[in-house]
Amino acid sequence: SQQGEEDPQALSIQEGENATMNCSYKTSINNLQWYRQNSGRGLVHLILIRSNEREKHSGRLRVTLDTSKKSSSLLITASRAADTASYFCASTSGTYKYIFGTGTRLKVLA
Amino acid sequence: NAGVTQTPKFQVLKTGQSMTLQCAQDMNHNSMYWYRQDPGMGLRLIYYSASEGTTDKGEVPNGYNVSRLNKREFSLRLESAAPSQTSVYFCASISKGTGQINQPQHFGDGTRLSIL
Repeated sequence: SQQGEEDPQALSIQEGENATMNCSYKTSINNLQWYRQNSGRGLVHLILIRSNEREKHSGRLRVTLDTSKKSSSLLITASRAADTASYFCASTSGTYKYIFGTGTRLKVLA
Repeated sequence: NAGVTQTPKFQVLKTGQSMTLQCAQDMNHNSMYWYRQDPGMGLRLIYYSASEGTTDKGEVPNGYNVSRLNKREFSLRLESAAPSQTSVYFCASISKGTGQINQPQHFGDGTRLSIL
């Protein structure tokens, strides 16, 4: 399978805590993107990091990329109940194809 | 703007029946995609269309056909449905094709398909 992998598969934290999820991919990439999926909805783009970048911030989101390890992490700081969702990474590698990871289900308890 | 619209939202079929899933985007995007999402598997690419008039196979194309009807619309057809095709199907689009593969994808809310 071409799919990337994410861990943990599921994560449950208290409101206000930080949530970290990791993504590994299999081929060299042009960029890596993170998406959120609320229950019963489509995916929504959160943040994109290019292959020549190591870290990127957007609001409460921080993404890191380590191309030598073919891995990325997404950190959500000061989590809120509204952050409860599934999170997916997707890599692109010079074609029109986006390779998605298997996802992390995040539950934030109020 | 509606973004990416998928119809129907839910469908139940019997084995062997055929049906077409519809997808339309109103963002003037060039490239469109069809994925299926199964529990624990993430999204897998079925077919994509880099631009109007072109289509290409993805990772799991067997049992499916597609039509890029015009720039707005990209349909997915199951000719003879099988229980293994029970899944949630998502359509997505990006704003550029050639040379702009970094663009984020815009997704519809999916079609939940059950095949008995």
